[in-house]
Amino acid sequence: GDSVTQMEGPVTLSEEAFLTINCTYTATGYPSLFWYVQYPGEGLQLLLKATKADDKGSNKGFEATYRKETTSFHLEKGSVQVSDSAVYFCALRRNTGGFKTIFGAGTRLFVKA
Amino acid sequence: EPEVTQTPSHQVTQMGQEVILRCVPISNHLYFYWYRQILGQKVEFLVSFYNNEISEKSEIFDDQFSVERPDGSNFTLKIRSTKLEDSAMYFCASRDIEEQFFGPGTRLTVL
Repeated sequence: GDSVTQMEGPVTLSEEAFLTINCTYTATGYPSLFWYVQYPGEGLQLLLKATKADDKGSNKGFEATYRKETTSFHLEKGSVQVSDSAVYFCALRRNTGGFKTIFGAGTRLFVKA
Repeated sequence: EPEVTQTPSHQVTQMGQEVILRCVPISNHLYFYWYRQILGQKVEFLVSFYNNEISEKSEIFDDQFSVERPDGSNFTLKIRSTKLEDSAMYFCASRDIEEQFFGPGTRLTVL
């Protein structure tokens, strides 16, 4: 079945460091790919998305490119801030059937001042 | 900006009791979902609902669970005879053509 694998955390970085969180997926067909962010005590917020191969999603300085050849959707940010500390979930959604979203396990990011 | 709302934000119940979690999806959306996140774990799909019936459900969604859209606005998840392991954050979501929008969640604590 469809699945998402993302790098285990926690990831601890200093402010202004470069961030990469790896994400790979297994799915048939052409799913849409997402990154969600969950701040402490809050719900899920859509961070960015890409709906087809080679699309780049971007928001708030975060970027991810839909790579079909490597089945990957790695999240990057050039310079993290303390306020970026959160849990990041990679997810896919099949664009057929019930359109459910399948999430990765989440990666906790700590950014130190 | 329209948003998905959920009530209550936190529900505490005794083991064996029934709970109903409520969601108000975005008004023109037609697809509705429930997801669950046990503390510190991944978000898991429970059920999807379209045209007044379940369109897909996971193996987690057994006879203990049911969903209903009792009127034109609410979408509910009922959990009968709650167990300790039902303690989790429950997220409702609704979807338009392109995007799924999540509610803020209801934290269910079963004692």
